[in-house]
Amino acid sequence: SAVISQKPSRDICQRGTSLTIQCQVDSQVTMMFWYRQQPGQSLTLIATANQGSEATYESGFVIDKFPISRPNLTFSTLTVSNMSPEDSSIYLCSVEGTGRGGYTFGSGTRLTVV
Amino acid sequence: GNSVTQMEGPVTLSEEAFLTINCTYTATGYPSLFWYVQYPGEGLQLLLKATKADDKGSNKGFEATYRKETTSFHLEKGSVQVSDSAVYFCALGNAGGTSYGKLTFGQGTILTVHP
Repeated sequence: SAVISQKPSRDICQRGTSLTIQCQVDSQVTMMFWYRQQPGQSLTLIATANQGSEATYESGFVIDKFPISRPNLTFSTLTVSNMSPEDSSIYLCSVEGTGRGGYTFGSGTRLTVV
Repeated sequence: GNSVTQMEGPVTLSEEAFLTINCTYTATGYPSLFWYVQYPGEGLQLLLKATKADDKGSNKGFEATYRKETTSFHLEKGSVQVSDSAVYFCALGNAGGTSYGKLTFGQGTILTVHP
């Protein structure tokens, strides 16, 4: 299965600033997924990123707040913009493994906004 | 839309006890079903999966059977260890269409195993 390198692993940021999270995959993948895990909560899909097209956002998430880039088939970034304490979460990227299912996740970025 | 309902935790067991974590789902079509585990301070890892009805996924002594008639995918282990202490997530993968690849997660169940 694919191996994902995600960075930074954690960060503490001031409110009003932005943070860009990077995910690098060791193989080419069509779709990459970005999730948010709020403290003590489950994972919620933010958006799906396809190479060569705009990301598709889930209900409750907008491009202005979470812009995503997907410049090639092995890399994607998620930016958390104009941060507030409510954005404190773990952010994870994911790709589908070989065959049907078995999605692989990055190790996550633990973001704290103060 | 798709949804996953997981047994509420936290679950606290003694070592070598039997574990069941219930998971039921609502979905259209024939989704894939997964159990993921998140150990303290670590990322999410795939524990097991099943892609069609009556499939049994298994790994590290854990098992779960895809039951279409009851829309369930309960996780079981016959004898838990302290090292199994983690958060367990049941998840559903869309069967197809424009949302193919999207995972819907349950709320997670915290498992603590005492010696």
